[in-house]
Amino acid sequence: AQSVTQPDIHITVSEGASLELRCNYSYGATPYLFWYVQSPGQGLQLLLKYFSGDTLVQGIKGFEAEFKRSQSSFNLRKPSVHWSDAAEYFCAVGRSAGNMLTFGGGTRLMVKP
Amino acid sequence: NAGVTQTPKFQVLKTGQSMTLQCAQDMNHEYMSWYRQDPGMGLRLIHYSVGAGITDQGEVPNGYNVSRSTTEDFPLRLLSAAPSQTSVYFCATRNRAGSSDTQYFGPGTRLTVL
Repeated sequence: AQSVTQPDIHITVSEGASLELRCNYSYGATPYLFWYVQSPGQGLQLLLKYFSGDTLVQGIKGFEAEFKRSQSSFNLRKPSVHWSDAAEYFCAVGRSAGNMLTFGGGTRLMVKP
Repeated sequence: NAGVTQTPKFQVLKTGQSMTLQCAQDMNHEYMSWYRQDPGMGLRLIHYSVGAGITDQGEVPNGYNVSRSTTEDFPLRLLSAAPSQTSVYFCATRNRAGSSDTQYFGPGTRLTVL
């Protein structure tokens, strides 16, 4: 069975600092990997996704993520965090053709002024 | 184009009551699914559908029923609500065609069972 672990439940960074959110997955084949963001009281918005090809993927809002097969990881990064990035971030793994997503427990990001 | 809509936004039930959470989409997506979100557990799949007339169980299906009579609608029914079903429920859709494989989420329904 597939699973996703986000080791950090809460992270606090200063505005302008760099950010890395960790995601480790367990899956028997090459997974489809996703990062979603959820602002308070809102639904989930897709930040980026990896299916195949270049292991460094660019997303919206200046985010990027790198797929590392050897480490079973798909960490999310941003070079300079803005106060509006404060939200909860979810990593997810899935396959197509009927298999839905398995989500990690989420990482809540707080941004200090 | 409203995307994915969910009603109601908030609901309070007493133990044993029944209710239906509504989900509708206007994107003609084949795949629809229901997730519940609980603190520290991310989103967990309850039921999903790959097309009208076809449904299947996800990770946590007990206590919930679904049906898919049309492409647009995918209601989630709680036959006898329990406090353990207090959660935020999200409906999601996915277009089977193409390679994007992106899911689109509704705004959620916050359910409290007393």
